[in-house]
Amino acid sequence: DIQMTQSPSSLSASVGDRVTITCQASQDISNYLNWYQQKPGKAPKLLIYDASNLETGVPSRFSGSGSGTDFTFTISSLQPEDIATYYCQQYDNLPRTFGQGTKVEIK
Amino acid sequence: QVQLQESGPGLVKPSQTLSLTCTVSGGSISSGGYYWSWIRQHPGKGLEWIGYIYYSGSTYYNPSLKSRVTISVDTSKNQFSLKLSSVTAADTAVYYCAREYGGPIDYWGQGTLVTVSS
Repeated sequence: DIQMTQSPSSLSASVGDRVTITCQASQDISNYLNWYQQKPGKAPKLLIYDASNLETGVPSRFSGSGSGTDFTFTISSLQPEDIATYYCQQYDNLPRTFGQGTKVEIK
Repeated sequence: QVQLQESGPGLVKPSQTLSLTCTVSGGSISSGGYYWSWIRQHPGKGLEWIGYIYYSGSTYYNPSLKSRVTISVDTSKNQFSLKLSSVTAADTAVYYCAREYGGPIDYWGQGTLVTVSS
């Protein structure tokens, strides 16, 4: 299985701050990486696919980059409604695997 | 707008079989190009991919669960199902059904909590 390692596991930032989360794959996955947002009690929501493509309807303050084994997810200006846990997920290989998640809180 | 809805018992006894069904509305399971997935989340933990099925019946299961998992599809009812046998407390989780489209999982059910307890 491909292991996905996210960091940090949690972070606290102020409204308006730039927030960055990293995700590292245990082997080259090209750009076959997605990012999801999960709010408490809700199902995950797709934000970014193919490492850097914004899903329709997702605010442009969200972005992703990277390829190979190293990926970055960025919120350019943190908003109160962005409080959630964020997951990366690879789809280069089966089984699909997720990072352990990054919990984002407001300072 | 595609919608997915899980249904099934919320409480299962140890050693029994967990059975869930996902009903898809707003689109046809048979339309092709999509993989119909099951994913679970242990309380307070991350996401674990269980497996998926294509409308033709082709499946892939996570090797960590493969010996206990069966995913099936009923195209006439626009449903797909999950069976997990010989459950223990470690199988207590929120179970999601979802649609994978070429990699991204773009639609999810709301999730259903299944507790394994006597």
